[in-house]
Amino acid sequence: ETGVTQSPTHLIKTRGQQVTLRCSSQSGHNTVSWYQQALGQGPQFIFQYYREEENGRGNFPPRFSGLQFPNYSSELNVNALELDDSALYLCASSSSLAGGPDEQYFGPGTRLTVT
Amino acid sequence: KQEVTQIPAALSVPEGENLVLNCSFTDSAIYNLQWFRQDPGKGLTSLLLIQSSQREQTSGRLNASLDKSSGRSTLYIAASQPGDSATYLCAVKVSGSNYQLIWGAGTKLIIKP
Repeated sequence: ETGVTQSPTHLIKTRGQQVTLRCSSQSGHNTVSWYQQALGQGPQFIFQYYREEENGRGNFPPRFSGLQFPNYSSELNVNALELDDSALYLCASSSSLAGGPDEQYFGPGTRLTVT
Repeated sequence: KQEVTQIPAALSVPEGENLVLNCSFTDSAIYNLQWFRQDPGKGLTSLLLIQSSQREQTSGRLNASLDKSSGRSTLYIAASQPGDSATYLCAVKVSGSNYQLIWGAGTKLIIKP
């Protein structure tokens, strides 16, 4: 059984550019959540996808968008990058019935630096 | 609005000591509480998950307790080792449309050899 994987590991972008981060969920998991973790802080919830539909969103602007695919892998897209978007982006997968509160398993994260 | 606080922000103790990390939350309506470990620049490793109906969970040298009525959880680490050095975060899963995790800022733990 493979765990949650994320790509790329590190990424450097310029302000104003767009970025796509990818996440492969753990086998059998149908729910993916994305979090942003700034340096020295706890993660902040961005959004969650359940069976290819957005199932909730945190306090992030519309330039943060996502997708979930039929195999339950997911993408996080960020448009018009700002310096404050520099952070560790974490993906977590879980096996939920109707999006219920099952344990989340985290990937290693993607470190995004915006210059 | 649920808020999670972890005190202290940093802790340095000699190897071999037993220690307690604290986590408090403002809304007792939670589904569960998890403790995670994070090594520098790395992702999160789940240590213990306590369901709302449980009082504690144990794994090896780790013991986590949950008191929903007072909005508190503690992580007890016995016989600390230098390899325990990391940031420890607690997160609560709240009811709602998406069961998102609400996180504390973490306690950075340093175990001195």
